[in-house]
Amino acid sequence: GAVVSQHPSRVICKSGTSVKIECRSLDFQATTMFWYRQFPKQSLMLMATSNEGSKATYEQGVEKDKFLINHASLTLSTLTVTSAHPEDSSFYICSARDISWQGEAYEQYFGPGTRLTVT
Amino acid sequence: GQNIDQPTEMTATEGAIVQINCTYQTSGFNGLFWYQQHAGEAPTFLSYNVLDGLEEKGRFSSFLSRSKGYSYLLLKELQMKDSASYLCAVMDSNYQLIWGAGTKLIIKP
Repeated sequence: GAVVSQHPSRVICKSGTSVKIECRSLDFQATTMFWYRQFPKQSLMLMATSNEGSKATYEQGVEKDKFLINHASLTLSTLTVTSAHPEDSSFYICSARDISWQGEAYEQYFGPGTRLTVT
Repeated sequence: GQNIDQPTEMTATEGAIVQINCTYQTSGFNGLFWYQQHAGEAPTFLSYNVLDGLEEKGRFSSFLSRSKGYSYLLLKELQMKDSASYLCAVMDSNYQLIWGAGTKLIIKP
């Protein structure tokens, strides 16, 4: 099946610094990638939808200047958490939709997630 | 608004059968998904239903009734490794996935 990788898997950073998380589709091309955040014992929360070659669409309440998303190629999307604070500590998960997807809804392929801890 | 409801937690015995229910109210419907998520890991795909009825895949089956806005995931011959959270998600008219909060399934020997 399709594989999505994320890097890093875990990161600890100091408050005020920025962290970049990469999401790659390894064996398929993804026109659309999704970024989720999950707090402990809570469900996935969609942060933004990332479309290759265009600006990301952010969900209500998600600060686009704080969570910078770049989807420069069909296999790579990045999420940069700028000026991170302890409340940004969370599990960040990306998922990708295959370029061959034609609207007959099917699965999204999830990356393994990135555990961010801001001290 | 859009809403997905599923029980917060369930407990079952190894070797038994458990049914996890999911009800939904969404703007449009393009399919319902069940995902399994182990603690600290990303979700993995289990099933997809877009038509009414039962889809069977090994020990796992998923049922959908669109008229009732209802689905269930049935797990048979439970194994300890089935202890995980099970997420119900509905794809709405914009092809966005709307996620339930997940059901934590605890398997006891």
